[in-house]
Amino acid sequence: GENVEQHPSTLSVQEGDSAVIKCTYSDSASNYFPWYKQELGKGPQLIIDIRSNVGEKKDQRIAVTLNKTAKHFSLHITETQPEDSAVYFCAALKTSYDKVIFGPGTSLSVIP
Amino acid sequence: EPEVTQTPSHQVTQMGQEVILRCVPISNHLYFYWYRQILGQKVEFLVSFYNNEISEKSEIFDDQFSVERPDGSNFTLKIRSTKLEDSAMYFCASRGRDQPQHFGDGTRLSIL
Repeated sequence: GENVEQHPSTLSVQEGDSAVIKCTYSDSASNYFPWYKQELGKGPQLIIDIRSNVGEKKDQRIAVTLNKTAKHFSLHITETQPEDSAVYFCAALKTSYDKVIFGPGTSLSVIP
Repeated sequence: EPEVTQTPSHQVTQMGQEVILRCVPISNHLYFYWYRQILGQKVEFLVSFYNNEISEKSEIFDDQFSVERPDGSNFTLKIRSTKLEDSAMYFCASRGRDQPQHFGDGTRLSIL
């Protein structure tokens, strides 16, 4: 089955700096890659996603890139703010309506 | 924005007792899921449910677990005889046709 790895496990950045989280997946049949943000005491919330026919997608300060050949995808957050502090999970699915296979998560701390 | 609602937020139960976790999915959604997150570990898929039957389940979802949609609004997860290792956050998710999943804020289950 699919296996998703994620690095780093923890990340601290100064407010205003960029943060990058990287993931790899094992199943070449995966075609949909969502990113979730989990704040303390809350469930995972979808923040951005990318499909395999697209190499990059951007939404304001957040961007995702996908290298399907290398089975890598990344989340980039620019101009980080303290409210970006949370645990971020990447995931890989065959379709957008398959079960979600989560990565192990990255705890991001943005230091004011 | 519509939300997935889970109750209770925290459930404390003696080992060996039965527990029912409740979820109210988003009203027009048709596909329902349960996930589990043991403290410090990744979010793991348990079961998916559609058209009043289980569509997929993981190895974790053994005979001690069952799911039910007893009426038009609730979706429940029952653990028949709880073990210490069942202590975790349990997340319910739902989705519409061809849409990504929306997660609730979870129920923290503590087995004593």
